[in-house]
Amino acid sequence: DADVTQTPRNRITKTGKRIMLECSQTKGHDRMYWYRQDPGLGLRLIYYSFDVKDINKGEISDGYSVSRQAQAKFSLSLESAIPNQTALYFCATSGPGGTGEIRDTQYFGPGTRLTVL
Amino acid sequence: DQQVKQNSPSLSVQEGRISILNCDYTNSMFDYFLWYKKYPAEGPTFLISISSIKDKNEDGRFTVFLNKSAKHLSLHIVPSQPGDSAVYFCAATSGTYKYIFGTGTRLKVLA
Repeated sequence: DADVTQTPRNRITKTGKRIMLECSQTKGHDRMYWYRQDPGLGLRLIYYSFDVKDINKGEISDGYSVSRQAQAKFSLSLESAIPNQTALYFCATSGPGGTGEIRDTQYFGPGTRLTVL
Repeated sequence: DQQVKQNSPSLSVQEGRISILNCDYTNSMFDYFLWYKKYPAEGPTFLISISSIKDKNEDGRFTVFLNKSAKHLSLHIVPSQPGDSAVYFCAATSGTYKYIFGTGTRLKVLA
């Protein structure tokens, strides 16, 4: 079974609709992230959470909200979807790491392809 | 403001030759750098990393070089194989567990 799962894998929705993308992980990691990937723009951080009570905005949080329901679950919501939110969305986790030479690495889910018409 | 830049969107290399992927950064606070590989329809997977206290890290066919004075890192793949064809992202962090990614370079290894 995959360590980081995302549902749905594909979603087509209409402008103005509210949608939720869900992420679950079995790695036991405290830190979870949501990114979006756009052609030519790479991966951009939307929100990140270092534990259930700690949620932070990333580079492009406008138009998005998140919920950390449990250590293993981190959901991303688009309150009122717009066409420029059409993108590939990735959830990631990272585990306890130290400082110095070896740090956290991130483990990504398979992605959700979202199309807003 | 792009703190991590990959200026080559694509690269083609013959099988068996060396692939060199480059990444530049602007934030001098970054002290840990990572490379990820991404195949179509999959999430990125971790490849190799380097701390700013080192200038080279090697793992099999993959070597990452860091030039702190130039704020530049590169990934060398030797020898390149067709299965290495993917999009490669570099990422950087300043110890906050917040990672900044580059725009990616699509590598195509020709058989």
